[in-house]
Amino acid sequence: DAGVTQSPTHLIKTRGQQVTLRCSPISGHKSVSWYQQVLGQGPQFIFQYYEKEERGRGNFPDRFSARQFPNYSSELNVNALLLGDSALYLCASSLLPGASPLHFGNGTRLTVT
Amino acid sequence: EDQVTQSPEALRLQEGESSSLNCSYTVSGLRGLFWYRQDPGKGPEFLFTLYSAGEEKEKERLKATLTKKESFLHITAPKPEDSATYLCAVPYGGSQGNLIFGKGTKLSVKP
Repeated sequence: DAGVTQSPTHLIKTRGQQVTLRCSPISGHKSVSWYQQVLGQGPQFIFQYYEKEERGRGNFPDRFSARQFPNYSSELNVNALLLGDSALYLCASSLLPGASPLHFGNGTRLTVT
Repeated sequence: EDQVTQSPEALRLQEGESSSLNCSYTVSGLRGLFWYRQDPGKGPEFLFTLYSAGEEKEKERLKATLTKKESFLHITAPKPEDSATYLCAVPYGGSQGNLIFGKGTKLSVKP
């Protein structure tokens, strides 16, 4: 079975630009979460979505937004990119919002120059 | 404030040299503690979930234990392929989709 898939794997953007990252959960998983991982740190929670509704939001500015589609895939959008947004963006899925454990994709490496 | 602290930050072992990694946490009402392994350039890979003090889980050379304030990941006779960053995390808020991660312990096992 395919795991969580994310695209693109790598991305280079310029300050001020906008970026969209995509995630397909494991088949049958209905909940998707997004995390940001800066080099040398643990992942930090950004969003959780279930049934197209936002179920949780971490301490990130409004430049970050996300949505979930009827097929449970998800997109993360970041506007007005800053150098500090350079990170590995991880998507995780689970059967339900409270289900355990989270299964992670291999992430999108975003570099902002 | 909910927090997860891992120690040491880095650990270098010789092949076969057993050791333990520590994860201490402060959360109001623990709803599980998770251990993940992360290889360079990859996403975290789930290892264990522990729910109550005294619980233990094992997988190959790894054993995770839980007390009321901390968890240990014991590595017995490690091999070079065990080299990775080990992360622990606890859920906060109403959903286990919201995890607080520690910074991880980077383990290097030399042959």
